[in-house]
Amino acid sequence: LAKTTQPISMDSYEGQEVNITCSHNNIATNDYITWYQQFPSQGPRFIIQGYKTKVTNEVASLFIPADRKSSTLSLPRVSLSDTAVYYCLVGVRAAGNKLTFGGGTRVLVKP
Amino acid sequence: DAGVIQSPRHEVTEMGQEVTLRCKPISGHDYLFWYRQTMMRGLELLIYFNNNVPIDDSGMPEDRFSAKMPNASFSTLKIQPSEPRDSAVYFCASSTAAGASTDTQYFGPGTRLTVL
Repeated sequence: LAKTTQPISMDSYEGQEVNITCSHNNIATNDYITWYQQFPSQGPRFIIQGYKTKVTNEVASLFIPADRKSSTLSLPRVSLSDTAVYYCLVGVRAAGNKLTFGGGTRVLVKP
Repeated sequence: DAGVIQSPRHEVTEMGQEVTLRCKPISGHDYLFWYRQTMMRGLELLIYFNNNVPIDDSGMPEDRFSAKMPNASFSTLKIQPSEPRDSAVYFCASSTAAGASTDTQYFGPGTRLTVL
């Protein structure tokens, strides 16, 4: 899987928008970009996946520029419960895909 | 669905003892993954199965670790003998080849293992 680089940590306040950028300079044509969220004492949870442009679901938005060398996860109006580690993963969307988790970004939402 | 079920949730044992971790994947999922998470090494894939058959065990640290999947609804990860450096949270995850996002894995709550 292509290597990803993301900030180690970010602080925010309730109600703010949090944007986490992930760099993936060596992304391949068939690679998708996937984000997982991990709360303390829980397993990671899939939150969003995209290939290009913009993807939005009930939890987050994912922005992917045309060159696909980076992507930005956007969490609108965060609450204290959004405090978690967010992982950016890049790889082929295939059955049995081996997920390689990097260090993730630790997001702390303050009151 | 109850999601991925793991047991026990916590395990404390002494060095040299055998440890068995258990996992029940989501019904209908044909892929099962075992991960280990530590502060130092993060989240690492140990082994994964497809239709009960081990596909890739390159992440298994050494011969002390073994994993089995006797049927579609049950898997075990065994450590024998256990060592203090095996202390970690062990996650089981499952996924399905059907659907659009085949690499969406559903993780269990994990088993926190402490080897004294």
